[in-house]
Amino acid sequence: AQSVTQLGSHVSVSEGALVLLRCNYSSSVPPYLFWYVQYPNQGLQLLLKYTTGATLVKGINGFEAEFKKSETSFHLTKPSAHMSDAAEYFCAAPPAGGSYIPTFGRGTSLIVHP
Amino acid sequence: ETGVTQTPRHLVMGMTNKKSLKCEQHLGHNAMYWYKQSAKKPLELMFVYNFKEQTENNSVPSRFSPECPNSSHLFLHLHTLQPEDSALYLCASSLVTSGGVGDEQFFGPGTRLTVL
Repeated sequence: AQSVTQLGSHVSVSEGALVLLRCNYSSSVPPYLFWYVQYPNQGLQLLLKYTTGATLVKGINGFEAEFKKSETSFHLTKPSAHMSDAAEYFCAAPPAGGSYIPTFGRGTSLIVHP
Repeated sequence: ETGVTQTPRHLVMGMTNKKSLKCEQHLGHNAMYWYKQSAKKPLELMFVYNFKEQTENNSVPSRFSPECPNSSHLFLHLHTLQPEDSALYLCASSLVTSGGVGDEQFFGPGTRLTVL
């Protein structure tokens, strides 16, 4: 069964607008969640991760995500988009059963218009 | 160098060639991974090694042959590939502690492979 689902393969925003990238996870997965970013011609890098504790997680480059157990969601947000935020974003979580090998969502391409 | 490095960054090969991709991590991690990333497809896990032992082979064709001589190095040997094997091949590593859940992966920049 799919551990994570990313809604929307592409999200387009204007520079300065709110960024919202959606991720829902299977309720059976352990509560460890990740967001990665992939800039063109590069590998993935960690934006932020949730393990335990505070449900609002702050990451690099002004991004944050909120773990909502009741909604099984871990959406990624940024108050004001910058042109340099244009990239592919991946949500990831371990599968049910406790494997250390994460399952990645299909990715969401963020397009930022001037 | 620090982090995860991959060589070569770009590779063009014919269907009858034999080539190898190399990955090296300088992070002291014990798990290493190969992923295939094709255009408009999700990230595909290919192989996983933990403490040099292969723990995952995700139904990868035998024309891809991994090798992990130690926890810092990972190779992907390629032979008689098909044009549909053209993709970005990403290497990653992570520290797998007791239980292991929750450890993030560190990725290399990838090798862009084109099979003619």
